Amino acid sequence: GNSVTQMEGPVTLSEEAFLTINCTYTATGYPSLFWYVQYPGEGLQLLLKATKADDKGSNKGFEATYRKETTSFHLEKGSVQVSDSAVYFCALLDNYGQNFVFGPGTRLSVLP
Amino acid sequence: EAQVTQNPRYLITVTGKKLTVTCSQNMNHEYMSWYRQDPGLGLRQIYYSMNVEVTDKGDVPEGYKVSRKEKRNFPLILESPSPNQTSLYFCASSPRGARGEQYFGPGTRLTVT
Repeated sequence: GNSVTQMEGPVTLSEEAFLTINCTYTATGYPSLFWYVQYPGEGLQLLLKATKADDKGSNKGFEATYRKETTSFHLEKGSVQVSDSAVYFCALLDNYGQNFVFGPGTRLSVLP
Repeated sequence: EAQVTQNPRYLITVTGKKLTVTCSQNMNHEYMSWYRQDPGLGLRQIYYSMNVEVTDKGDVPEGYKVSRKEKRNFPLILESPSPNQTSLYFCASSPRGARGEQYFGPGTRLTVT
């Protein structure tokens, strides 16, 4: 079946540091890929998406590129802020647009 | 305001006592889903619905039921709750053509003793 693997963390960084959260997936065909973010006490929010190979999703300074050859969708940000502290989930939607699979989430803490 | 609402937000109950968690969206979305969130496991899909009267099992459907009689509502029913259903539950909706762009509710924390 389809699956998503991501570094579980927690990841602790100082403000303005560079962020990478690794995500790899297993799926047949060409899934769509997503990053969602969950702030404390809230539901998840869509952060960015990519629907085909080599697409780059970006939002709020975060970026991720859909790499078919390495089945990866790593999340990056050049300079994190304290307000970026949250749990980040990598996810995929299968070829048929029905089965949605989330990774286990990575907790990020940014210290001032 | 576009939103997904869930009720109740918190619930403590006992084993075997039937309960329903309601979910409603005001965005006219076709797709709706229920997830449970457990530490170290991320979110796992329980059931989803592609439209009114169309529902299907996700990865962890055992012990749960759903119905989709109206487009806006997608209640989650636990006929006989057990302690292993203690979890944080999220409802989500998404529009036709953007299935993956889900809007999540605030969550329902359920404890079954």
